[in-house]
Amino acid sequence: NAGVTQTPKFRILKIGQSMTLQCTQDMNHNYMYWYRQDPGMGLKLIYYSVGAGITDKGEVPNGYNVSRSTTEDFPLRLELAAPSQTSVYFCASSPLSGTVNTGELFFGEGSRLTVL
Amino acid sequence: KQEVTQIPAALSVPEGENLVLNCSFTDSAIYNLQWFRQDPGKGLTSLLLIQSSQREQTSGRLNASLDKSSGRSTLYIAASQPGDSATYLCAVRLGSEKLVFGKGTKLTVNP
Repeated sequence: NAGVTQTPKFRILKIGQSMTLQCTQDMNHNYMYWYRQDPGMGLKLIYYSVGAGITDKGEVPNGYNVSRSTTEDFPLRLELAAPSQTSVYFCASSPLSGTVNTGELFFGEGSRLTVL
Repeated sequence: KQEVTQIPAALSVPEGENLVLNCSFTDSAIYNLQWFRQDPGKGLTSLLLIQSSQREQTSGRLNASLDKSSGRSTLYIAASQPGDSATYLCAVRLGSEKLVFGKGTKLTVNP
């Protein structure tokens, strides 16, 4: 079972470069999320999506953009990379039970990004 | 503002010991609470999910309890093994999307 797949696993960017972190899930989950995890800190929500075509900001959206054209894919784009965006990024998904988000999160293995 | 605290930040125990990890939260108006395990360089793996109407959940050697009124949850690990070494995080759900994570407890089980 693939679950939630993230690519790339590692990436080094120069300041001002752009890139897209890919996330795909094969569980037909409606909800998808992007988090960042910094050393000694809890996970912070960047963006989330409740279904194809619908996205919304989380706690720390500045410097990022997302799209959700299909149920499976939820890419995260960094337009002008800054050192403050050095972090580990996690994509997650969550299923519906009927019409209610069950709340159970399934995570990818993370993408470690360094901006120099 | 909801805050989630996990104490201790790190814990080292000998193999075979029973242990308890603590999670406290400041606002009792939660939908559910979830415990995760994170291995170094890996993503989070869901261990147990407790809905706000439930008091506890069990899976194998793991038992998680929830006391909303006191803002506390505990994760009990029985007969710990070196393979249990990891960071354990708890997270409370405030709404359909908003999840607040603690910073985790790093557990080391020594052979």
